[in-house]
Amino acid sequence: KQEVTQIPAALSVPEGENLVLNCSFTDSAIYNLQWFRQDPGKGLTSLLLIQSSQREQTSGRLNASLDKSSGRSTLYIAASQPGDSATYLCAVWETSGSRLTFGEGTQLTVNP
Amino acid sequence: DTAVSQTPKYLVTQMGNDKSIKCEQNLGHDTMYWYKQDSKKFLKIMFSYNNKELIINETVPNRFSPKSPDKAHLNLHINSLELGDSAVYFCASSPRTSTDTQYFGPGTRLTVL
Repeated sequence: KQEVTQIPAALSVPEGENLVLNCSFTDSAIYNLQWFRQDPGKGLTSLLLIQSSQREQTSGRLNASLDKSSGRSTLYIAASQPGDSATYLCAVWETSGSRLTFGEGTQLTVNP
Repeated sequence: DTAVSQTPKYLVTQMGNDKSIKCEQNLGHDTMYWYKQDSKKFLKIMFSYNNKELIINETVPNRFSPKSPDKAHLNLHINSLELGDSAVYFCASSPRTSTDTQYFGPGTRLTVL
C-alpha cells in the first residue's frame, strides 16, 4: 500500500528566505507526482505536476524535483513571501489502483 | 467562472439524518472524484467516476452513495449520518481517468451533531 510522508509537518520562516519541503513515497510505481497548495477554508490548487519520466518542473519561484528510484520529491520555494503561507500537499498517482494518494501536508507560515 | 463548484459550503445536521452534497464542473472533464479531509487534514479519495461510470470505490461505508446524472455532475448522498462523518468533503475533476492534474472544488464542511 502506497504511503506518502511529508516533512516537516509545519515550517515558519521569515520573508525572503529560500525553503525546501520534502515528500517521500513508499512505492516507486507511479505515473506522476503532484504538488498542491491549500489555503485555509479553501480547496486545493495544483502547483506542479512531474511525470515519472521527468526529474523536475519549474513554475515561477517554485521548483519541484523527483527521484523516483529513491521515492523522494522536494518542493523548492525561492524568495518566500507572506502570500506563500498555506498548506502544501504532495500526492502520487499510483500505476496500480488509479488514484492519487496524498501526504498529510506541510503547513508553511512566512512572516513579514 | 467557477470551474468546480459544490453546494452547500457548510452543512450542519443531526445524527441519523440523510443529506446530499452537489458537485458540478464546467471544464468538460471526463472524470470526477470525491475526497474526504478529516480533522487531521488528511485527504483521502472516496469515489471516482469516469463518464458517469464508477471507477474507484474505496472502503467507504455503503451509507455513502455517489450519483452521476451526467458527466458534469457528481453528487454525494449520505444516509444515517454519524458523528464520524464530520469532515470537509472535496469534489474534484480531471480531463481523463489517469494522470492529469485534478481541479478541486472549494469543499463542503459537514458537521454532524
